[in-house]
Amino acid sequence: DAGITQSPRYKITETGRQVTLMCHQTWSHSYMFWYRQDLGHGLRLIYYSAAADITDKGEVPDGYVVSRSKTENFPLTLESATRSQTSVYFCASINPGATTEAFFGQGTRLTVV
Amino acid sequence: RKEVEQDPGPFNVPEGATVAFNCTYSNSASQSFFWYRQDCRKEPKLLMSVYSSGNEDGRFTAQLNRASQYISLLIRDSKLSDSATYLCVVNSGTGGFKTIFGAGTRLFVKA
Repeated sequence: DAGITQSPRYKITETGRQVTLMCHQTWSHSYMFWYRQDLGHGLRLIYYSAAADITDKGEVPDGYVVSRSKTENFPLTLESATRSQTSVYFCASINPGATTEAFFGQGTRLTVV
Repeated sequence: RKEVEQDPGPFNVPEGATVAFNCTYSNSASQSFFWYRQDCRKEPKLLMSVYSSGNEDGRFTAQLNRASQYISLLIRDSKLSDSATYLCVVNSGTGGFKTIFGAGTRLFVKA
């Protein structure tokens, strides 16, 4: 299906484990973003990417790693999960040549126990 | 200081009321501005773009004041279905697409 999809939708993991959240978009949008959303904080930008092999830190990058080997994929890895990383994670993409509207995946609800 | 700051809310209003949300941003090089709506921690969706000349879409009016680095959203004749969280969004950074969200303002419209 066309669009932007995240997987898994729900994940429970243990402290210290490595976890990778996947994001895939079918539009070939150049820009992709990862946000986390916690109560009272809105969406906070973790990392973003302007194109394949180009990534930049956002507001809260510590504890996260990203890669962008292909335009359509932008995985987010928690190298050693902590309880403070329990959150809802949203991936988004933008086509800067058009309206610059951000299109979001449905989110991944991650719980670290 | 956060890059994008919004009224904390929540706003509790009766149906038919007019309600205004405000937002300020700190990066004077910011290039584009939006309001998004989010329901029950589902994914945010674009409500409207914000232009310097102001723009209106039905009951919704958005304004941008670049000199004051201020964005507003006005909702007239509030409906129950307007109950949601409204997010102010600013694109800044090199190339203009570091997309930063405000914390959101929660709106409750009651019968």
